[in-house]
Amino acid sequence: LAKTTQPISMDSYEGQEVNITCSHNNIATNDYITWYQQFPSQGPRFIIQGYKTKVTNEVASLFIPADRKSSTLSLPRVSLSDTAVYYCLVGNNNAGNMLTFGGGTRLMVKP
Amino acid sequence: GAGVSQSPSNKVTEKGKDVELRCDPISGHTALYWYRQRLGQGLEFLIYFQGNSAPDKSGLPSDRFSAERTGESVSTLTIQRTQQEDSAVYLCASSSQGIPTYEQYFGPGTRLTVT
Repeated sequence: LAKTTQPISMDSYEGQEVNITCSHNNIATNDYITWYQQFPSQGPRFIIQGYKTKVTNEVASLFIPADRKSSTLSLPRVSLSDTAVYYCLVGNNNAGNMLTFGGGTRLMVKP
Repeated sequence: GAGVSQSPSNKVTEKGKDVELRCDPISGHTALYWYRQRLGQGLEFLIYFQGNSAPDKSGLPSDRFSAERTGESVSTLTIQRTQQEDSAVYLCASSSQGIPTYEQYFGPGTRLTVT
């Protein structure tokens, strides 16, 4: 089971780009990298998923280097509403192990 | 187009009582998951169902916890003889298929308080 390490918290200001890096040194060949966002008193919400290189959607970008031992979630031009906890998960559903959420990164966006 | 729903939204119970938490997944989703989240902490995996069977029960913290799913739909998480350390938010999620690129959809959770 691939273990992930993320910063506990980060602060940013409105309009800035935020990059949250997750380390997963023992990622397996068939593992995917998935990020979720959780607001207070709500369940987590899927943001983005990738296997290698770069993935971009309407919400974020995910950068994965060639060795896949880390990944970076990039949030462009954050707003106050992006204040949340962000979780990085590594695994694959074939093994049922994409089910371990770490402590996440608590992002605080300030005006 | 309803999402995942859970009931009750809040439950206060006395230590030693049994509680049942319900999850209604998105229609057609074959996989269903239960997690526990203590205050200020990350999510702790409890159990997942593929259809009505639970191939992975490793996350259940003790034999006081059990879960079932019927009709590949509703699931119930039961906690017997509740203890104060069971106080947490219990989250349910569902996904459409057990493939690598699946996405979990979460419900709003049930906040359980054991007094």
